[in-house]
Amino acid sequence: DGGITQSPKYLFRKEGQNVTLSCEQNLNHDAMYWYRQDPGQGLRLIYYSQIVNDFQKGDIAEGYSVSREKKESFPLTVTSAQKNPTAFYLCASSIGYTTGAADTQYFGPGTRLTVL
Amino acid sequence: AQSVTQLDSHVSVSEGTPVLLRCNYSSSYSPSLFWYVQHPNKGLQLLLKYTSAATLVKGINGFEAEFKKSETSFHLTKPSAHMSDAAEYFCVVSDDYTGRRALTFGSGTRLQVQP
Repeated sequence: DGGITQSPKYLFRKEGQNVTLSCEQNLNHDAMYWYRQDPGQGLRLIYYSQIVNDFQKGDIAEGYSVSREKKESFPLTVTSAQKNPTAFYLCASSIGYTTGAADTQYFGPGTRLTVL
Repeated sequence: AQSVTQLDSHVSVSEGTPVLLRCNYSSSYSPSLFWYVQHPNKGLQLLLKYTSAATLVKGINGFEAEFKKSETSFHLTKPSAHMSDAAEYFCVVSDDYTGRRALTFGSGTRLQVQP
């Protein structure tokens, strides 16, 4: 089955710890994205990557870091600098900018991060 | 800059009655518009997408949306609600000319379906 997987589904972190959220896709998509969702709000873009070994900050990148060493993988690290990390994190992928039109983004099932 | 406004945070309908979820957008260029649905603690699923082809877009599960440029609207409708339609719905705009190719989300509309 093709799709996007995120792990873990639930993650608990103590204050001051860094944690890494996994996102893997087997859709052969060039572009990948990380969003944060808070209750009663839409999704906000954290980071995005249009191609391997390249990524850009989104609207709320402070306190987060990413890497894109492989096409299939786009892990997100929530650092201790993120002041309010408790949220639902969603990863998405799309074919990429080569299509010349707005890509449809396909979403993973999400990771719920709670800071204790 | 692009933005999207979902006019209702909550909508409640009875099973079998029509559904209308309202969305207005703002974009400097010809936008692409999407509706996504999210069930509790799940990822988002694409319902339908508009990309400057037909203004009436049909999606999955009987949903459709009409792009009205003069009103800058992209409302989502369904003739007859089903209990399984209860979920959160997001209207989304993408400005193809930003180069960023990321989406701007509305704040969501929670649809309740009463038996």
